Amino acid sequence: DSGVTQTPKHLITATGQRVTLRCSPRSGDLSVYWYQQSLDQGLQFLIQYYNGEERAKGNILERFSAQQFPDLHSELNLSSLELGDSALYFCASSPQGGDNYGYTFGSGTRLTVV
Amino acid sequence: AQSVTQPDIHITVSEGASLELRCNYSYGATPYLFWYVQSPGQGLQLLLKYFSGDTLVQGIKGFEAEFKRSQSSFNLRKPSVHWSDAAEYFCAVGGKGKLTFGQGTILTVHP
Repeated sequence: DSGVTQTPKHLITATGQRVTLRCSPRSGDLSVYWYQQSLDQGLQFLIQYYNGEERAKGNILERFSAQQFPDLHSELNLSSLELGDSALYFCASSPQGGDNYGYTFGSGTRLTVV
Repeated sequence: AQSVTQPDIHITVSEGASLELRCNYSYGATPYLFWYVQSPGQGLQLLLKYFSGDTLVQGIKGFEAEFKRSQSSFNLRKPSVHWSDAAEYFCAVGGKGKLTFGQGTILTVHP
């Protein structure tokens, strides 16, 4: 157990729908990162939050949004889902917002869009 | 922009043999470099990291990596591979608020 908790582990939904993925960071970590892992794109950085504020943005689609709450948990919202959104979505956390700590990853949410 | 290249998509070794996984990075400043391992259906686990200082870094599970600035490389090594090392390995470079990962190398271990 890495200490980063992601729910749900699996999600199957239809095209056009909206889903919410949840992440609880490791205790004491202030930064949360979201990554998408697919066979064709590999691990793609989506977005980072630090202590409730958006810190960095990557290849995140406009249909996707995220937030970090006062208790530091984070949610990734995916809307108007397409078949191509099927992927593993990872959350990771780190103590601060810098790049030098390395991240602790959760076990991921596998999203299947049918 | 930062980037990472792992030239080998798939490597097969025999149990007990030595292992070297290659990683080349592109980054404008002193890089923060990492190696992660991912077992099937699992998240990524940090093996080791380099920030500065000694260019040979030791990690968990008997892995080590050597930073070579002149070659922009950060290759992962293990002297004797165990069957439980079969997994996918990712090299990453840190900068500008994110880690950028390579495409990964799948390691298969033959008995």
